[in-house]
Amino acid sequence: DTEVTQTPKHLVMGMTNKKSLKCEQHMGHRAMYWYKQKAKKPPELMFVYSYEKLSINESVPSRFSPECPNSSLLNLHLHALQPEDSALYLCASSQDRGAGELFFGEGSRLTVL
Amino acid sequence: AQSVTQPDIHITVSEGASLELRCNYSYGATPYLFWYVQSPGQGLQLLLKYFSGDTLVQGIKGFEAEFKRSQSSFNLRKPSVHWSDAAEYFCAVALSYNTDKLIFGTGTRLQVFP
Repeated sequence: DTEVTQTPKHLVMGMTNKKSLKCEQHMGHRAMYWYKQKAKKPPELMFVYSYEKLSINESVPSRFSPECPNSSLLNLHLHALQPEDSALYLCASSQDRGAGELFFGEGSRLTVL
Repeated sequence: AQSVTQPDIHITVSEGASLELRCNYSYGATPYLFWYVQSPGQGLQLLLKYFSGDTLVQGIKGFEAEFKRSQSSFNLRKPSVHWSDAAEYFCAVALSYNTDKLIFGTGTRLQVFP
């Protein structure tokens, strides 16, 4: 199994809503990542988890809250988002931190109204 | 500051034609180099990578890339393009093996005509 699975594929939410994005991998990878990708732009790193601990937060606003319940799961909790937060949110994993070879999910396309 | 440049925003080729996508990086030492492909509505998939050794690396889907230290380049090539190769291609660098921060180029969109 070499997949990273993200749910939901599409999400529309209002600025007062609370929602979550979920990511799952069963490759035994110990590092997991959240990226944000705006249209026609490269992905931008948001968070890195290594061995279930947050190791990098790229100065992401607190309205984005990551969580790593176990080594296979990564969540991104969303609250009080702004329309400019609309983007494709990509989850990725790698065998270990900094391994370079990232395995990406298909992404969750978020629209904030 | 370190950077990755993909000079071509959009390239159009005919099916069966050869392809070269350009990538240049700015960094004092030799970085770790990657090419990723993103099909519409999909995540990114690793095509190939260079860490050290032979400067011509082979990847999946018939792609290859050549690292040229003197030109700070890592261009991606394919001898004969298929319609299914239409996608966005990202060059990326990591400044050492143990870094989480891939620096992506801005991408090149490849369009393939029949």
